[in-house]
Amino acid sequence: QKEVEQNSGPLSVPEGAIASLNCTYSDRGSQSFFWYRQYSGKSPELIMSIYSNGDKEDGRFTAQLNKASQYVSLLIRDSQPSDSATYLCAVNQGGKLIFGQGTELSVKP
Amino acid sequence: DAEITQSPRHKITETGRQVTLACHQTWNHNNMFWYRQDLGHGLRLIHYSYGVHDTNKGEVSDGYSVSRSNTEDLPLTLESAASSQTSVYFCASSESTANTGELFFGEGSRLTVL
Repeated sequence: QKEVEQNSGPLSVPEGAIASLNCTYSDRGSQSFFWYRQYSGKSPELIMSIYSNGDKEDGRFTAQLNKASQYVSLLIRDSQPSDSATYLCAVNQGGKLIFGQGTELSVKP
Repeated sequence: DAEITQSPRHKITETGRQVTLACHQTWNHNNMFWYRQDLGHGLRLIHYSYGVHDTNKGEVSDGYSVSRSNTEDLPLTLESAASSQTSVYFCASSESTANTGELFFGEGSRLTVL
């Protein structure tokens, strides 16, 4: 079992819809969780971090964390074509980041 | 502006050759990391360093080595390149262990081993 797992997609949503990206992790001791966005041919960039159970909102992005279920999600409201990218879930384990395989999101106009 | 740079950006080499990928950051970050990215695998950690003279193995360290002689640089060496090491390599840095999740990435180095 991979330490951090995501559906690889591709996930296709129409413009204006909500995109839901999911991630599970295996280490119950993990305390900090991150979402990175990576455009094709570019390097990853941090878009959200979450440390406590519940929701964290930043503009159109909401990160959700459920430590009991070992589950992290990212919701993108009012999806735009510019949101089309690969979204990488990352978990801090012992001071280093472990990434999932990424979910490719395509937002269709 | 502070930045992190990788070189070369593209390299083609032959099986068995030694290859070194350079990574240089000007943020004065203590933590530096090397990842490789392959289709279907996401980013996998190769080696990392929490400071000068500190190096640690990651998930996929076999065939790779690093050294940290100063704060700014963490070169990645492939001792004897193999076709399985064809990949895109990303260097990253962060300010402290507590903020390890806030990584700043270089632009990547695409390596092809023939």
